[in-house]
Amino acid sequence: KAGVTQTPRYLIKTRGQQVTLSCSPISGHRSVSWYQQTPGQGLQFLFEYFSETQRNKGNFPGRFSGRQFSNSRSEMNVSTLELGDSALYLCASSLGSWEGDHTDTQYFGPGTRLTVL
Amino acid sequence: QKEVEQNSGPLSVPEGAIASLNCTYSDRGSQSFFWYRQYSGKSPELIMFIYSNGDKEDGRFTAQLNKASQYVSLLIRDSQPSDSATYLCAVLTGGFKTIFGAGTRLFVKA
Repeated sequence: KAGVTQTPRYLIKTRGQQVTLSCSPISGHRSVSWYQQTPGQGLQFLFEYFSETQRNKGNFPGRFSGRQFSNSRSEMNVSTLELGDSALYLCASSLGSWEGDHTDTQYFGPGTRLTVL
Repeated sequence: QKEVEQNSGPLSVPEGAIASLNCTYSDRGSQSFFWYRQYSGKSPELIMFIYSNGDKEDGRFTAQLNKASQYVSLLIRDSQPSDSATYLCAVLTGGFKTIFGAGTRLFVKA
């Protein structure tokens, strides 16, 4: 079974631009979560989608948004890029069936390395 | 107080020794706990998960959970240089939100 894929793998943008990152989950997985990873802050939760609905959101500004399509693929968008947005953006997929499913395990994609100049 | 806390390390152990990694969490309602390993420049990969109090063993890895103390740990027996990585503790809280600790860097000296 193919793993989680993310595109593009590397991206260089300038301040003020916007960017869209894509994530394709493992086949059969309906939940996709997005994380930002920086050396200083570690893995920070951005949001989680299940069946095209955002079920939870982290403490990021509104410049960070996402969506999920009917085939479970997900995109995240960052508008008006800032230098501090430079990070590794990871998506993770899981079955995400129901709250209380203790075994729902996330599997990560390779990440998109975003550099903002 | 951070929701999930780990000692950042680095933790240095000789080859063949037991490495002990610790994690505490603040949300008493948390039900599931995960350990991931992340090599430099790579994405996290799952080692194991645990959700019942006690020990869970998988090969050289043992996860230990104590919900009363809000404490979870990972033991790595017979540590190898290839185990050198950052180990992330993750906690599944209510609302489909997984919170990660900052990670502990482990060095296994040959």
